[in-house]
Amino acid sequence: AQKVTQAQTEISVVEKEDVTLDCVYETRDTTYYLFWYKQPPSGELVFLIRRNSFDEQNEISGRYSWNFQKSTSSFNFTITASQVVDSAVYFCALWHGGATNKLIFGTGTLLAVQP
Amino acid sequence: ETGVTQTPRHLVMGMTNKKSLKCEQHLGHNAMYWYKQSAKKPLELMFVYSLEERVENNSVPSRFSPECPNSSHLFLHLHTLQPEDSALYLCASSQGRTGGHGYTFGSGTRLTVV
Repeated sequence: AQKVTQAQTEISVVEKEDVTLDCVYETRDTTYYLFWYKQPPSGELVFLIRRNSFDEQNEISGRYSWNFQKSTSSFNFTITASQVVDSAVYFCALWHGGATNKLIFGTGTLLAVQP
Repeated sequence: ETGVTQTPRHLVMGMTNKKSLKCEQHLGHNAMYWYKQSAKKPLELMFVYSLEERVENNSVPSRFSPECPNSSHLFLHLHTLQPEDSALYLCASSQGRTGGHGYTFGSGTRLTVV
């Protein structure tokens, strides 16, 4: 079965701290995509990153970095030097093709960055 | 306008009312989706439209009725809802249904059923 688990329901940090959001996925497909989305209080899910299953290179974009490890089926997201504007719910998602062909989301992690 | 626009942003309706949620995308995408987001639950995919044809209906009660008159517009018609239907309803679009492109989401409609 395909599944995305975000075990951290809520995380609270103080500004400038680094924080890692965990994501563990399950799939039998060899071809799949992993995503992270940010949902600020306004409600819109904002796309952050897409990774395909054949590319395990880690990626860094400014203060954001992602660690994709197929051996542990994890796709973790780290924010360095967090800021108050990073406060949001973050969703990890898995897309797989075949008969299902849909984007499956985890339950999300609420990140609160305190000033 | 750009992106995916949803109206209204907030809606309060009684259980006997009939209302519609509207979604419009200006991205030239050919697939559109309705998701339901309830507190402490994963986003639930409700309906998928591809090239204006409904290709997926995930056991959604008949009190929710989608409509896709063209590739830019998607509606969700609501009637005789229950209080447990209160949630954030999100619309999304994508170019094709292959996952590589990801989805673009609207800001959602916060629905409260009283």
